[in-house]
Amino acid sequence: SQTIHQWPATLVQPVGSPLSLECTVEGTSNPNLYWYRQAAGRGLQLLFYSVGIGQISSEVPQNLSASRPQDRQFILSSKKLLLSDSGFYLCAWSVLGQGAAGELFFGEGSRLTVL
Amino acid sequence: GQNIDQPTEMTATEGAIVQINCTYQTSGFNGLFWYQQHAGEAPTFLSYNVLDGLEEKGRFSSFLSRSKGYSYLLLKELQMKDSASYLCAVRDSGGSYIPTFGRGTSLIVHP
Repeated sequence: SQTIHQWPATLVQPVGSPLSLECTVEGTSNPNLYWYRQAAGRGLQLLFYSVGIGQISSEVPQNLSASRPQDRQFILSSKKLLLSDSGFYLCAWSVLGQGAAGELFFGEGSRLTVL
Repeated sequence: GQNIDQPTEMTATEGAIVQINCTYQTSGFNGLFWYQQHAGEAPTFLSYNVLDGLEEKGRFSSFLSRSKGYSYLLLKELQMKDSASYLCAVRDSGGSYIPTFGRGTSLIVHP
C-alpha cells in the first residue's frame, strides 16, 4: 500500500530564518507531487507541483522554493522566512489510474509559525 | 482557472441530514472531488464525480450537474465525528490534472 510522510509536524521559526520541509512517498512510482499551504480560515493554495525528478512548477511567486531530488521525495525550502509564511503546509501525491480517479493523498501536514 | 464557491459554515443536529453545496465555473471540466478535513489534520478523500448524477457511498452521497456547474455532498444520519471542514475541488481538463480547492465548509454537528 502507498504511504506518504512529511516532517517536521510542527515548527516555530523566527523571521529571516531558513526552512526545510520534507515529504516522502512509498509504494508507488513516478507520482505527481504537490505542496499546498492552508492559512487559517483559508482554502488550500497550491504552491508547487512536480511531475518528475527535477521538474518543478511554481504556482505562486514568493520566497519559497521546491526541489525533487528523487522520484518519491519532495522538499519545500526557504532561505528567509516571512511572517506571512505561517500556515499549515501539506504535501500530497497522485497518480492517474490509482485511487478512484487520481485523487490527492495528503501527508500529515506541517504547521509552521513564524515569529 | 476555476471559481469555486461553497458556504463558509453550516450547523446540523446529530442524526439529521445535511446538504453542502458547491458551485463552480471552469473553462474545462475533468472531475469534482469532495474531501473531509478535521481540525488540525490533513484532508481525506470522500468522493469523485465526473458524470452527472448521484454517487452513493454509505452515509455520504455526492451529486453533480455539469450543465449547472453544481455539486452537493449529502451526509445522512449525522454523527458528532462528522464535524469537520468539507472541501470541494474541481479538476480542469487543461492537462495538468491539478484540482483547485474551494475554501471549505465548516460543518458543526451538535447533539
